[in-house]
Amino acid sequence: KNEVEQSPQNLTAQEGEFITINCSYSVGISALHWLQQHPGGGIVSLFMLSSGKKKHGRLIATINIQEKHSSLHVTASHPRDSAVYICAVTRGSRLTFGEGTQLTVNP
Amino acid sequence: EPEVTQTPSHQVTQMGQEVILRCVPISNHLYFYWYRQILGQKVEFLVSFYNNEISEKSEIFDDQFSVERPDGSNFTLKIRSTKLEDSAMYFCASSEGTLSYNEQFFGPGTRLTVL
Repeated sequence: KNEVEQSPQNLTAQEGEFITINCSYSVGISALHWLQQHPGGGIVSLFMLSSGKKKHGRLIATINIQEKHSSLHVTASHPRDSAVYICAVTRGSRLTFGEGTQLTVNP
Repeated sequence: EPEVTQTPSHQVTQMGQEVILRCVPISNHLYFYWYRQILGQKVEFLVSFYNNEISEKSEIFDDQFSVERPDGSNFTLKIRSTKLEDSAMYFCASSEGTLSYNEQFFGPGTRLTVL
């Protein structure tokens, strides 16, 4: 079983929809990261959080340490949000990655 | 805005050859990392590096791999004798401090193709 599980694997939405991507983990962590990978392969860090909630623009990330669960929300989705969204957890000095969620937003 | 850079963007090599992948982390960052992503698979941790020594390495990072910070700016990953299964995208990353409190900045990646 993977230490980091994401759902769904694939998500297609219409422009303007509210989107949620979920991440569950099975190990003790010191922080959780949400990353975005574009079709060209580049990886960008969106959030790092160890408790509560963070917001940046139309993106919101939450984490529940007790339930070992995090969510990434995209409000008012746009075609340019189309990418792979990856959840990764910090253990020691390494990141352990989930499989990623392919998000496609259609106009 | 400061960024992590990697060279080359694409490297093609023959099986058994040595390759060196180069990275220039963000200048005030102290922690450095290598990851790989085999096509269609998830990103995997290889090694973390701090204070001129390896902090942690994964089971993938065997004796064929080594890392070095030869000067104040470069951070390299060497694969001594490449295998077909080493074909992947290799990402370098850096962070200002530990990953418990700091986000990680990724380079654009080097696509390694072993023939």
